Amino acid sequence: SAVISQKPSRDICQRGTSLTIQCQVDSQVTMMFWYRQQPGQSLTLIATANQGSEATYESGFVIDKFPISRPNLTFSTLTVSNMSPEDSSIYLCSVGNPEKLFFGSGTQLSVL
Amino acid sequence: AQSVSQHNHHVILSEAASLELGCNYSYGGTVNLFWYVQYPGQHLQLLLKYFSGDPLVKGIKGFEAEFIKSKFSFNLRKPSVQWSDTAEYFCAVSDSWGKLQFGAGTQVVVTP
Repeated sequence: SAVISQKPSRDICQRGTSLTIQCQVDSQVTMMFWYRQQPGQSLTLIATANQGSEATYESGFVIDKFPISRPNLTFSTLTVSNMSPEDSSIYLCSVGNPEKLFFGSGTQLSVL
Repeated sequence: AQSVSQHNHHVILSEAASLELGCNYSYGGTVNLFWYVQYPGQHLQLLLKYFSGDPLVKGIKGFEAEFIKSKFSFNLRKPSVQWSDTAEYFCAVSDSWGKLQFGAGTQVVVTP
């Protein structure tokens, strides 16, 4: 199994600022996934992060808004840039293979 | 690209009633199918999953789901619901890497 530590667990931010969310895994994983869950909605995949290459973004998400780093096989960061109230969501990282998927505890972001 | 469609957005039923939530998917490759539950104020929990083998999958809390390949469906069932089953239920499909595509979710309310 994998243990995922996600930080921060919650934050309240001002419009126009940026927040970086960290995801640390206790074992090496090939791929890490970043999801967003907006209030009252389902989870939406933002991007897939591979170590040593640029992240692959899903439709509707761009690198300028959600830059991702993946410096090694156990760590990734997602930055929410130039935030607006519409970015208020829960952000989750996920790792694993199809047979066993693990989620971080999530980052509850509120943008004022 | 994979996609997931959940038939009902809201379901209200009484305790002891039977529950069935519809889920259809589209995906060109080998499918891995999941049902997740999110209780009010809590994170996602895995209810059950299907990868191969017996198309009738048993999960936690008395839930089961049936994979019908010809119908591209993976419906969730529970013979007799309890008030504590009030939650949001998400169907999801993953590719071979573990990238999840979630359905829009079904809000289930069980009345005493």
